[in-house]
Amino acid sequence: AQRVTQPEKLLSVFKGAPVELKCNYSYSGSPELFWYVQYSRQRLQLLLRHISRESIKGFTADLNKGETSFHLKKPFAQEEDSAMYYCALKHDKVIFGPGTSLSVIP
Amino acid sequence: GAGVSQSPSNKVTEKGKDVELRCDPISGHTALYWYRQSLGQGLEFLIYFQGNSAPDKSGLPSDRFSAERTGGSVSTLTIQRTQQEDSAVYLCASRHRLGGELFFGEGSRLTVL
Repeated sequence: AQRVTQPEKLLSVFKGAPVELKCNYSYSGSPELFWYVQYSRQRLQLLLRHISRESIKGFTADLNKGETSFHLKKPFAQEEDSAMYYCALKHDKVIFGPGTSLSVIP
Repeated sequence: GAGVSQSPSNKVTEKGKDVELRCDPISGHTALYWYRQSLGQGLEFLIYFQGNSAPDKSGLPSDRFSAERTGGSVSTLTIQRTQQEDSAVYLCASRHRLGGELFFGEGSRLTVL
């Protein structure tokens, strides 16, 4: 069965510090993986997907099939990065992890 | 035109009443999802419609929950005999038939007293 875990419910970092939001998945096939973000009072929206291998707002994520992980990273956190982050996996349907609330301290 | 539209944005109801939540997806999107978002539970999958295929109802928490999608467009999520634990934000999302990202509505916040 598909499953996505995000071990940290809350993560606080200082502005300018590196940040890593962890995501692990369980799935027997080749998954499509995504990170979605929800800023305060805004809709949930796509941040990035693994197949495009792009950097959005300074964030990157690498799919590690050996470790079944898709951690989200940014070298220098900004205050505007404070938000709720969800890792998601798609095979036939899209399922989400429980989310990590990131707080960037000025 | 605009994005995914959901109504009502807020609903307060008494325990035991039935509620209907509506989702109007982006025109032309064949995939439609319902999720439940609550504190501590993250984003819980409820049901998935894809074109004319039978919906994937595997996430519905009980038989009090049901959903329809009429004409391949608008969807209604119905919760019968609401319970306090049904209180949450119910999110709808749609996706183009060729895949890609999910586009979310603003959600319907349900409070069961």
